[in-house]
Amino acid sequence: EAAVTQSPRNKVAVTGGKVTLSCNQTNNHNNMYWYRQDTGHGLRLIHYSYGAGSTEKGDIPDGYKASRPSQENFSLILELATPSQTSVYFCASGDANRGNERLFFGHGTKLSVL
Amino acid sequence: GDSVTQTEGPVTVSESESLIINCTYSATSIAYPNLFWYVRYPGEGLQLLLKVITAGQKGSSRGFEATYNKETTSFHLQKASVQESDSAVYYCALGNYNQGKLIFGQGTKLSIKP
Repeated sequence: EAAVTQSPRNKVAVTGGKVTLSCNQTNNHNNMYWYRQDTGHGLRLIHYSYGAGSTEKGDIPDGYKASRPSQENFSLILELATPSQTSVYFCASGDANRGNERLFFGHGTKLSVL
Repeated sequence: GDSVTQTEGPVTVSESESLIINCTYSATSIAYPNLFWYVRYPGEGLQLLLKVITAGQKGSSRGFEATYNKETTSFHLQKASVQESDSAVYYCALGNYNQGKLIFGQGTKLSIKP
């Protein structure tokens, strides 16, 4: 079974601080994604990547950066965290060659910005 | 734009009763969208429940089924007899083979009364 691991599982940050959320996949998938989940909004796409060295803006990229240094790792970076970024973040991977018929998700990271 | 709307939660159903969670979509920029239902059990990441990539077809898994109706732009999730283990959050999503992205609905939290 494909595996996506996120760290940390929970994070409390201060306003203005830097936060890095990490994601590792052992599926050898080309595509990786960062979503956030908020009540009433469902999952919204922040950034995604087609492979090592590539990052693309999703639907709500403002205030976030992404980094894909390798096939396995995809990070989401909040340079200056704000309370509005309090949310649950999900990382996912998918096989571009199969048209992303199925995404594999991590367990999520609960971020609170105080 | 492209969007997914599903039954507003939370939804509570008694064990062994039938269930329907409505999902309608708008795919203005996607000629042939793929449709998915994902589920998130407590403490876990999202996982694929079922998918249908051809209009008019039905998908099924774990007793759940959904039919891709292009005329009504709907993909409702149904189950004839729910179990306590079905308590979870259910997400309807549409995807574009070429873009490799999924657009999610807001999620429907389902609770089953024993």
